[in-house]
Amino acid sequence: AQSVTQPDIHITVSEGASLELRCNYSYGATPYLFWYVQSPGQGLQLLLKYFSGDTLVQGIKGFEAEFKRSQSSFNLRKPSVHWSDAAEYFCAVGADGGTSYGKLTFGQGTILTVHP
Amino acid sequence: GAGVSQSPSNKVTEKGKDVELRCDPISGHTALYWYRQSLGQGLEFLIYFQGNSAPDKSGLPSDRFSAERTGGSVSTLTIQRTQQEDSAVYLCASSARTGGNHGYTFGSGTRLTVV
Repeated sequence: AQSVTQPDIHITVSEGASLELRCNYSYGATPYLFWYVQSPGQGLQLLLKYFSGDTLVQGIKGFEAEFKRSQSSFNLRKPSVHWSDAAEYFCAVGADGGTSYGKLTFGQGTILTVHP
Repeated sequence: GAGVSQSPSNKVTEKGKDVELRCDPISGHTALYWYRQSLGQGLEFLIYFQGNSAPDKSGLPSDRFSAERTGGSVSTLTIQRTQQEDSAVYLCASSARTGGNHGYTFGSGTRLTVV
């Protein structure tokens, strides 16, 4: 069964600083990986996804993530954080095949606080 | 529609009552998913629809939970005899295609509070 671990429950950064949110996954085949963001009271918005090709993926809002198969990781990065980036971030792995086709397994989320 | 629409946005119900949560997916999206987001539990998969059928309902926590989808569009999640542990945000998502390599579009959720 697939699983996702986000080791950091809460991260605080200063506005303008760089950001890296960690994600480790467990999956028996080639994973499909996603990062979502959730602002308070809102649904989840897709930031970026990886399923093949270039291991460095660019997303919306200036985010990027790098897939490292050897480390089973898919960390999210942003070079300069804006106050509007404060939100909760979820990493997810997608299942493929069988009756779980399309089901996503999510990590517990990382809450990002941005100080002015 | 332009996005995934869920109603109501908030629901407060008494323990033991039945509730119905509605999801209106993006027009033409054949795949529809229900998730539950609870404090301390993260996002839990409940059920997946492809068209009107549900090939994967493995996440439904008990037989008090059921869901249906009609016309390949609107879906209703029903919780019978609600319990306090059912309090959570129920999220619906849809996708144009099935497959683990396609991200979903989520609705804003229904916040259910059982008192």
